[in-house]
Amino acid sequence: QQQVKQSPQSLIVQKGGISIINCAYENTAFDYFPWYQQFPGKGPALLIAIRPDVSEKKEGRFTISFNKSAKQFSLHIMDSQPGDSATYFCAASIRAAGNKLTFGGGTRVLVKP
Amino acid sequence: NAGVTQTPKFQVLKTGQSMTLQCAQDMNHNSMYWYRQDPGMGLRLIYYSASEGTTDKGEVPNGYNVSRLNKREFSLRLESAAPSQTSVYFCASSALSGYSNQPQHFGDGTRLSIL
Repeated sequence: QQQVKQSPQSLIVQKGGISIINCAYENTAFDYFPWYQQFPGKGPALLIAIRPDVSEKKEGRFTISFNKSAKQFSLHIMDSQPGDSATYFCAASIRAAGNKLTFGGGTRVLVKP
Repeated sequence: NAGVTQTPKFQVLKTGQSMTLQCAQDMNHNSMYWYRQDPGMGLRLIYYSASEGTTDKGEVPNGYNVSRLNKREFSLRLESAAPSQTSVYFCASSALSGYSNQPQHFGDGTRLSIL
């Protein structure tokens, strides 16, 4: 079964708009929730990450919101730019279990100029 | 600074052929990982190596073997390739820490097609 579920599968947003991607997880032992950004032909690259003792983390135009009781977390991309067009993956891991990542299915974001 | 280097970038195999995918990192990381990426399924862990000399199965290990040759290199072998193994394979590495989660750094992948 997929332990991390991600939605939507794809997203189209106008330049300057807000992109929102949601993830839900099953395993309450997860203690690290990163988001990765992937451009075509490249490997994923860490974008931003959060731990469950924090409800929100912001880095520039990217914000993670975390709801521990609902076992959900989301990525908000503010003022979306064409250069943000990429596939985004949420993930989760357990430090004590070797930091192995369990990924969501990915969201392809297209920002129209 | 190359980071994580994977070879080859592309490969086409026939069913039943064998192949080894190579991965090397120059960041002095202890931990290395192999993932496969399939449409709609994200990346799934095949095998990982927490440190030199150790390897463990991930979520989808069947049909694969790995070798942690030294601290820098971690190879993935398909002994008898099957069409279901057509995928994009990513190698990643991270520092090892018992105190905090360390980010994984990914290579650019090997695109493997099995006919």
